Amino acid sequence: QKEVEQNSGPLSVPEGAIASLNCTYSDRVSQSFFWYRQYSGKSPELIMSIYSNGDKEDGRFTAQLNKASQYVSLLIRDSQPSDSATYLCAVSTETGGYNKLIFGAGTRLAVHP
Amino acid sequence: GAVVSQHPSWVICKSGTSVKIECRSLDFQATTMFWYRQFPKQSLMLMATSNEGSKATYEQGVEKDKFLINHASLTLSTLTVTSAHPEDSSFYICSARDQGVNYGYTFGSGTRLTVV
Repeated sequence: QKEVEQNSGPLSVPEGAIASLNCTYSDRVSQSFFWYRQYSGKSPELIMSIYSNGDKEDGRFTAQLNKASQYVSLLIRDSQPSDSATYLCAVSTETGGYNKLIFGAGTRLAVHP
Repeated sequence: GAVVSQHPSWVICKSGTSVKIECRSLDFQATTMFWYRQFPKQSLMLMATSNEGSKATYEQGVEKDKFLINHASLTLSTLTVTSAHPEDSSFYICSARDQGVNYGYTFGSGTRLTVV
């Protein structure tokens, strides 16, 4: 079983719609959860971090965490063509006394005009 | 905010030679840095965790003698790909954790390595 799982997509949404990206993780003791955006040929850039159950909103982005279900999601409101990218879910897990960040395979989002 | 600088951004080398990639935290101290590798259309795979002043911790399946990691100071970690082969061609990305308010992981801009 993969540690962090995402649907690879592509997820295609029209401009202005809500894009919903989902992620599940296997390690119940994971404490920190992140969403990164990666454009082709570039390194990931942090969009959101979330540490406790519930919703966290930042502009057009809302991250949702449910630790009981081991599920984290990202909603993008009013999607724009510039949002087209691969979205990576990452989970920070403590191993051997230090934390490491494990990534899912990423979901490709395509926002069409 | 936290900034991680990575150099070079791209490098082409001949098969059998070694290549060094540098990763610097510019405005914070990083006792731990991480090295990832990403093949086309795949996700980031953690290769190793670089610990300042001690040996790196390698993930399963990563050859420590081939991917040499040195973390001699709180702001610099280096990855040396020794005796590079075409199959080592990939996008290498470093990351460091900012122990500030957000405890976020900041990534360098990545190094595109092509071995010919």
